[in-house]
Amino acid sequence: QQQVKQSPQSLIVQKGGISIINCAYENTAFDYFPWYQQFPGKGPALLIAIRPDVSEKKEGRFTISFNKSAKQFSLHIMDSQPGDSATYFCAASTGNQFYFGTGTSLTVIP
Amino acid sequence: DAGITQSPRYKITETGRQVTLMCHQTWSHSYMFWYRQDLGHGLRLIYYSAAADITDKGEVPDGYVVSRSKTENFPLTLESATRSQTSVYFCASSEGLASYEQYFGPGTRLTVT
Repeated sequence: QQQVKQSPQSLIVQKGGISIINCAYENTAFDYFPWYQQFPGKGPALLIAIRPDVSEKKEGRFTISFNKSAKQFSLHIMDSQPGDSATYFCAASTGNQFYFGTGTSLTVIP
Repeated sequence: DAGITQSPRYKITETGRQVTLMCHQTWSHSYMFWYRQDLGHGLRLIYYSAAADITDKGEVPDGYVVSRSKTENFPLTLESATRSQTSVYFCASSEGLASYEQYFGPGTRLTVT
């Protein structure tokens, strides 16, 4: 059973557009929700993270929106650039549990 | 340079052979992790370690063995490799467990024939 469901599996966006990746979870005990970015041939790297006591967190062009009641959170990439082309993973954790989503392959077309 | 390294980067082995993947970190992080990455499954936790000589199972531990005699090293052993263990393996380290940033190594691509 997938603890964190991520969609879409792949996404193609024009340069300058908005990329949106969604994740959903069931375990209400999760209390930390990070997003990781992975370029081909590299390990994932933390992009941005949020805790459930806030509904939104913004860092530059990257924003996490968090809906606690719906048990959903999403990553928004504003003004998407070709350099943002990568695979993005959401994750959720609490205590000794840490689960990643299945990943979204983002391609930004120049 | 400080960081987290994995070796080998690529490995081809035969079914039934034992293979060990190495992971080394220079930050003195307490926690270390092993993940496997497969298309359609994302990253799945195999084992993690809170400190030297303390390890615990993750989501998919079957067929794998870990040890941690020194804080900086966390080897992963496949005692009898199977084709289903063909995957990309990532090691990671962090200062804490659930709410801390994990720093990933470059990965080891393992093919079991």
